[in-house]
Amino acid sequence: QKEVEQNSGPLSVPEGAIASLNCTYSDRGSQSFFWYRQYSGKSPELIMSIYSNGDKEDGRFTAQLNKASQYVSLLIRDSQPSDSATYLCGTYNQGGKLIFGQGTELSVKP
Amino acid sequence: DVKVTQSSRYLVKRTGEKVFLECVQDMDHENMFWYRQDPGLGLRLIYFSYDVKMKEKGDIPEGYSVSREKKERFSLILESASTNQTSMYLCATFRGGLYNEQFFGPGTRLTVL
Repeated sequence: QKEVEQNSGPLSVPEGAIASLNCTYSDRGSQSFFWYRQYSGKSPELIMSIYSNGDKEDGRFTAQLNKASQYVSLLIRDSQPSDSATYLCGTYNQGGKLIFGQGTELSVKP
Repeated sequence: DVKVTQSSRYLVKRTGEKVFLECVQDMDHENMFWYRQDPGLGLRLIYFSYDVKMKEKGDIPEGYSVSREKKERFSLILESASTNQTSMYLCATFRGGLYNEQFFGPGTRLTVL
C-alpha cells in the first residue's frame, strides 16, 4: 500500500462548480497534511495546511481532515479555469520526510 | 511571505560537465532541501541540510553533492552530469511550528545533452 494515495484523474468540472479532491494515507501517526497546487512546468505551491480533525477554510478552498478514516480532502468552491492544475496531497512519514501522493489533475471547463 | 529563489529557470549542459544549482531563501530558515521531479516518479529527495555546513543524504544522493556555507544558500552540485539527470530540480525551505511546512522555489529545468 502506498503511503499517500490520490486519484490521478483527470477530474473535470464545469466553471463555477465545486471540485472535490481526495487523499488517503496509511500512517496513523501522520499529523500535518498539505495540499499543493502545481501548474504544468511550474513548482508546487502550498495552498492549504491542516493539522486538526475537521474543516479549515481559506477563501474558496476548504481542507477536510478525518484522522479516524485516514482521509484528507480539498474542496474548491466556484471553480475557475485558473484552478486547472495538478493538486498534490502530502504529509510527513515516520522518517520525517515529506511524501506526496501521485497528484490529481483538475481541469475546469469554461 | 516565504521567498525561495533558484539561480536558473532553464539550464542546458553537456554530459560530463560539472553543474551548480543554487538556492537562496530569505526567511532565516535552518532546514533546506533539494528534490528532483520526474513524470511518473513524483518528487524524490536528493539531499537536505538542517544547518550551515551540515548535510544529510536523501533517497537518491548518487551523482550529487551539496554545499551550505551560509544559512540562506544551499547549492546542489552535479559532479559529472549525465543524461539521466535531466529533470526538474526543486529547492525547498522549511518553516517549523504547528504544521512544519515546506515551501518550494520556482524550480530549475535541467537538460543534459
